[in-house]
Amino acid sequence: EIVMTQSPVTLSVSPGERATLSCRASQSVSSYLAWYQQKPGQAPRLLIYDASIRATGIPARFSGRGSGTEFTLTISSLQSEDFAVYYCQQYNNWPYTFGQGTKVEIK
Amino acid sequence: QVQLVQSGAEVKKPGASVKVSCKASGYPFSGYYVHWVRQAPGQGLEWMGWINPNSGDTNYVQRFQGRVTMTRDTSTRTAYMELSSLRSDDTAMYYCARDSGSHGYGDFWGQGTLVTVSS
Repeated sequence: EIVMTQSPVTLSVSPGERATLSCRASQSVSSYLAWYQQKPGQAPRLLIYDASIRATGIPARFSGRGSGTEFTLTISSLQSEDFAVYYCQQYNNWPYTFGQGTKVEIK
Repeated sequence: QVQLVQSGAEVKKPGASVKVSCKASGYPFSGYYVHWVRQAPGQGLEWMGWINPNSGDTNYVQRFQGRVTMTRDTSTRTAYMELSSLRSDDTAMYYCARDSGSHGYGDFWGQGTLVTVSS
């Protein structure tokens, strides 16, 4: 099973600032990586798939990059609605696996 | 629009079974796999498996093998996930998610069903 490790666990950022979240895979997942946003009491929401493609309706301030074992999600200018938990997920190998999440909180 | 509507919260005793439903609308139900993912309180996300609504084929994560059964009813556009021999650590929010079509990630998610296992 591929282990996904996200860092940091918590990221404190001021509104308008840039946030960079990291995700590392225990072995290569090529570009088969997705990012989700989850707010309290809500289901996850797909942000990015295939490592860098924004899902339908996702604002351009969200961007993803990486391949192999190292990936990043960048939020260029944090808005109030962006404070949430973010998960990466690989789908190169079964079973699909998630990272443990990064909580982006208001500084 | 694509919607996945799940059944309501359940409270079960240890050793019992639970069956959660996920009713799809707004897209060709048979054309997209349905995944099941769970989340224990305050914890991260855990994949459980998927079902191909067209064929009924399933694939379960090994740790749930023998306890989980995923089925579907194409006439009602509903997917089901049944988990048996429930334990307290099965207490979680259970989500269904439509596969994007690329077989690997969920592009639309149900609202979740809370299953509480308690004596």
